[in-house]
Amino acid sequence: DGGITQSPKYLFRKEGQNVTLSCEQNLNHDAMYWYRQDPGQGLRLIYYSQIVNDFQKGDIAEGYSVSREKKESFPLTVTSAQKNPTAFYLCASSMRSGRAFYNEQFFGPGTRLTVL
Amino acid sequence: KNEVEQSPQNLTAQEGEFITINCSYSVGISALHWLQQHPGGGIVSLFMLSSGKKKHGRLIATINIQEKHSSLHITASHPRDSAVYICAVPETSGSRLTFGEGTQLTVNP
Repeated sequence: DGGITQSPKYLFRKEGQNVTLSCEQNLNHDAMYWYRQDPGQGLRLIYYSQIVNDFQKGDIAEGYSVSREKKESFPLTVTSAQKNPTAFYLCASSMRSGRAFYNEQFFGPGTRLTVL
Repeated sequence: KNEVEQSPQNLTAQEGEFITINCSYSVGISALHWLQQHPGGGIVSLFMLSSGKKKHGRLIATINIQEKHSSLHITASHPRDSAVYICAVPETSGSRLTFGEGTQLTVNP
């Protein structure tokens, strides 16, 4: 089945520890995205990548890092510098979009991170 | 940057009622995306539209490009329609989305 997988679904970490969230897609999409969602709030963009070995900061990149070494994979590391990391994290992918056209984003099931 | 506003924020309906959720945006766009977020958190795409109207089952989405407004309608609502409905519009670069804050819909039996 084609789709986006995120693992694990629930993740608990102690304060001060780095943690890496996995996102894999087999849709052959060029672009991948990481979003953060807090209770009662809209989705906010953390990082995105439109091509392998390239990525850009979104609106709330501080305290996060990413890599894009393979087309299928876009892992997100939540570092100890992120002041309030407890949140729901969603990964998405799409064909590459441009100025005059938008290609639909498809979302993974999400990872709920709780920092104790 | 596009400003996206959804209304209402919360909506409670009785089973069978006709539902309308509205989305307004400030900058002209190439397309608008309606999404549904289930209680477990997963997000599914309902519609992507750039003009006119689309229908899928009991769901209908319309967009008025001149007025920068879109509506999502649910006919004969059912408790399983209870979810958060989110509209999203691409920024001019096309690569990033701006999201509305979502409409929490609860349909009671």
